[in-house]
Amino acid sequence: GQNIDQPTEMTATEGAIVQINCTYQTSGFNGLFWYQQHAGEAPTFLSYNVLDGLEEKGRFSSFLSRSKGYSYLLLKELQMKDSASYLCAVRLGSARQLTFGSGTQLTVLP
Amino acid sequence: NAGVTQTPKFQVLKTGQSMTLQCAQDMNHEYMSWYRQDPGMGLRLIHYSVGAGITDQGEVPNGYNVSRSTTEDFPLRLLSAAPSQTSVYFCASSYSTDRGDYGYTFGSGTRLTVV
Repeated sequence: GQNIDQPTEMTATEGAIVQINCTYQTSGFNGLFWYQQHAGEAPTFLSYNVLDGLEEKGRFSSFLSRSKGYSYLLLKELQMKDSASYLCAVRLGSARQLTFGSGTQLTVLP
Repeated sequence: NAGVTQTPKFQVLKTGQSMTLQCAQDMNHEYMSWYRQDPGMGLRLIHYSVGAGITDQGEVPNGYNVSRSTTEDFPLRLLSAAPSQTSVYFCASSYSTDRGDYGYTFGSGTRLTVV
């Protein structure tokens, strides 16, 4: 089976840096995704890692360690609009379906 | 380019009623899926399709049917609604090429309440 763990809630200050962790225990790992979801809206794609290392996209970076079953999403220069839920999702084997964690609710304070 | 369109956005059903949630995409994506999202439980896969005429069950398929007669459309049918099916439903589509994976595009969701 699959088990994906994320912290339920995090709080950070505007302008700061925050790291959201995701650990997974799965068989047949074939990629990890991060999505952002604002309240009442659909998730939107942020990043994709399939190989170990860091992927950077502007203020957002995502890191993957397959041997440790671990990923993190790093958000720099936090803005109020970054307040949202961040979802970690894992893809297994050659299948296209994703298994999602429960999400981390990030609150950015002024 | 409309992306993934879901209708209706809101729906209230009585226990035992049936209905169809519509999902259409105009991006020629081969893969489509339905998820439900409940507080504290994340997104859970109901059914998915890898192309027209091909569907399969996900993690929580009971009480739902799907069909995929065209690439564009992937409707989700609730056969006999139950209060446990009160949830937010998301349809998603995706594609990949040899150059990479482009993730899912989600519809805006359908908020369903069963009373």
